[in-house]
Amino acid sequence: DVKVTQSSRYLVKRTGEKVFLECVQDMDHENMFWYRQDPGLGLRLIYFSYDVKMKEKGDIPEGYSVSREKKERFSLILESASTNQTSMYLCASSLYFSFGTENTEAFFGQGTRLTVV
Amino acid sequence: AQTVTQSQPEMSVQEAETVTLSCTYDTSESDYYLFWYKQPPSRQMILVIRQEAYKQQNATENRFSVNFQKAAKSFSLKISDSQLGDAAMYFCAYRSYLRSGTYKYIFGTGTRLKVLA
Repeated sequence: DVKVTQSSRYLVKRTGEKVFLECVQDMDHENMFWYRQDPGLGLRLIYFSYDVKMKEKGDIPEGYSVSREKKERFSLILESASTNQTSMYLCASSLYFSFGTENTEAFFGQGTRLTVV
Repeated sequence: AQTVTQSQPEMSVQEAETVTLSCTYDTSESDYYLFWYKQPPSRQMILVIRQEAYKQQNATENRFSVNFQKAAKSFSLKISDSQLGDAAMYFCAYRSYLRSGTYKYIFGTGTRLKVLA
């Protein structure tokens, strides 16, 4: 059974703290993504990576950074957490390229609900 | 840039009835993939159905089917014989091709479906 695992389901951090959200996938996928989910705004892409040590900014990268030192692991870093970063964070992975219809989708973790106080 | 629009923030359906969720998108690409994901209260994103734009035939998965209108850039999801377990947030997604040779996924804002007993 394919799996994307996020290290925490719930996290509470203080303003100004450095926060690490970890994501691991066991599908040997090249692509990994971090999305932020807010009511009424859907899923917005923060950063993604298509190879080890490679990263590209998504639509809302400000205040975030990422790290991909190993193929299976993708970390989202909040350098100095702020209350407006309170949100649900979803990690996903996918193949770099796929033939045909199968395996074209992104696979998701269970989400981390982060509260910054 | 590609965009995905879900104009119905919330929908309700009576158990055993049929409901249609709307999705429109904007793109200049000729071949692409579209998806519907379900997010139940557990927060785990589950793929419901996918459609390749190159294929004229509408995709079907058991009680779930799509009405894909390529010229109109419309991709609606029909749920037949609705069940209580269908209650969830539904997201429409577009797989966008990147110059790096891979893809990213663009999501709509979601439609919350309530199923009434």
